[in-house]
Amino acid sequence: AQSVTQPDIHITVSEGASLELRCNYSYGATPYLFWYVQSPGQGLQLLLKYFSGDTLVQGIKGFEAEFKRSQSSFNLRKPSVHWSDAAEYFCAVGASGQNFVFGPGTRLSVLP
Amino acid sequence: GAVVSQHPSWVICKSGTSVKIECRSLDFQATTMFWYRQFPKQSLMLMATSNEGSKATYEQGVEKDKFLINHASLTLSTLTVTSAHPEDSSFYICSARPGQRTDTQYFGPGTRLTVL
Repeated sequence: AQSVTQPDIHITVSEGASLELRCNYSYGATPYLFWYVQSPGQGLQLLLKYFSGDTLVQGIKGFEAEFKRSQSSFNLRKPSVHWSDAAEYFCAVGASGQNFVFGPGTRLSVLP
Repeated sequence: GAVVSQHPSWVICKSGTSVKIECRSLDFQATTMFWYRQFPKQSLMLMATSNEGSKATYEQGVEKDKFLINHASLTLSTLTVTSAHPEDSSFYICSARPGQRTDTQYFGPGTRLTVL
């Protein structure tokens, strides 16, 4: 069965510092991979997605993610974090016609 | 584009009453809609998949008689929590998948349900 792990429950970074959020997945075939962000009390906003092709994908708000098949990973990165990036981040895996499976989430705190 | 709304955004009700939550795709047709439940500081758990014009498919452990789902049109799905109890208090989020595309889901802003 497919599963998603996000090893870091909570990460704190200083504003302006770089960020990397980890995501590992277990899936029988090449999955579709997603990163979503959720602000407190809000729904989920899609940051970026990977289906095929270039393994480095660009998203909104300056985020990018790299798909590494050999490591079953899809880590999210941002070169310079802004205070408004503080939120909960979810990695999700799916496939054509299949439901999403979400990771447990990583809470990002940003220090001024 | 690809906006999904939910109504109400929050609701407080007494134990034993029923609550209906609406999920609408505002600018696209959604053949499939999903209902998730999220407990505080936890991830989203899929409750059911709703296809327009057919019965919803519930995930294991979700009581279909308690969580009634109706997907009456290509832009509207409703979740009714029947005879709500305090343990049903949660954040309920819907998502919609546009047309025949099977790649992306667009999420609503969520509904906070508190059962007293």
